[in-house]
Amino acid sequence: DTAVSQTPKYLVTQMGNDKSIKCEQNLGHDTMYWYKQDSKKFLKIMFSYNNKELIINETVPNRFSPKSPDKAHLNLHINSLELGDSAVYFCASSRTGGNQPQHFGDGTRLSIL
Amino acid sequence: AQSVTQLDSQVPVFEEAPVELRCNYSSSVSVYLFWYVQYPNQGLQLLLKYLSGSTLVKGINGFEAEFNKSQTSFHLRKPSVHISDTAEYFCAVSSDQDDKIIFGKGTRLHILP
Repeated sequence: DTAVSQTPKYLVTQMGNDKSIKCEQNLGHDTMYWYKQDSKKFLKIMFSYNNKELIINETVPNRFSPKSPDKAHLNLHINSLELGDSAVYFCASSRTGGNQPQHFGDGTRLSIL
Repeated sequence: AQSVTQLDSQVPVFEEAPVELRCNYSSSVSVYLFWYVQYPNQGLQLLLKYLSGSTLVKGINGFEAEFNKSQTSFHLRKPSVHISDTAEYFCAVSSDQDDKIIFGKGTRLHILP
């Protein structure tokens, strides 16, 4: 019973390509997030959606576009991949509210050749 | 604006010894505080949280943390560590005034045999 699942787990591709990462949660949460974790383990929020509406959009390049077809799914599409995009991307979900903990997927390790 | 400082990037500890991982936060409003653990090649898992009430919070795997408002700290402790506690530990802060959790830069707990 995976609560937050991301696919694929590993993604190896070349510069300039376009790729997508999918995320699904079965916890009934209203809010979903995308984070980027760099090689030093620093975790940076990228986007947050609440009931399919974008509520957080940090300073992320336009090449990154999140899409939420319903509140259980939040996908991340990346255009024209660059070397600096190499990282682990985590999806998370929570109930609405600052006192609600977040539940994380196992991450997608993106490597750009 | 809120911020979180984890004072140690790495903490080496002998097995069965006690450990304390330090976390300080900054906020102009009431906060909620969290500790998450990240085992190798996995996502973050909630260890414990402080929302209100008793300042001593107990979490999973024998960890506990104490909220100290005057010192703006939320240090994590365990009386006796095990090799399986080897992981990255993240302190995080949120509030009702913000839609996101702010994570610290993480502390790597390294258990020595």
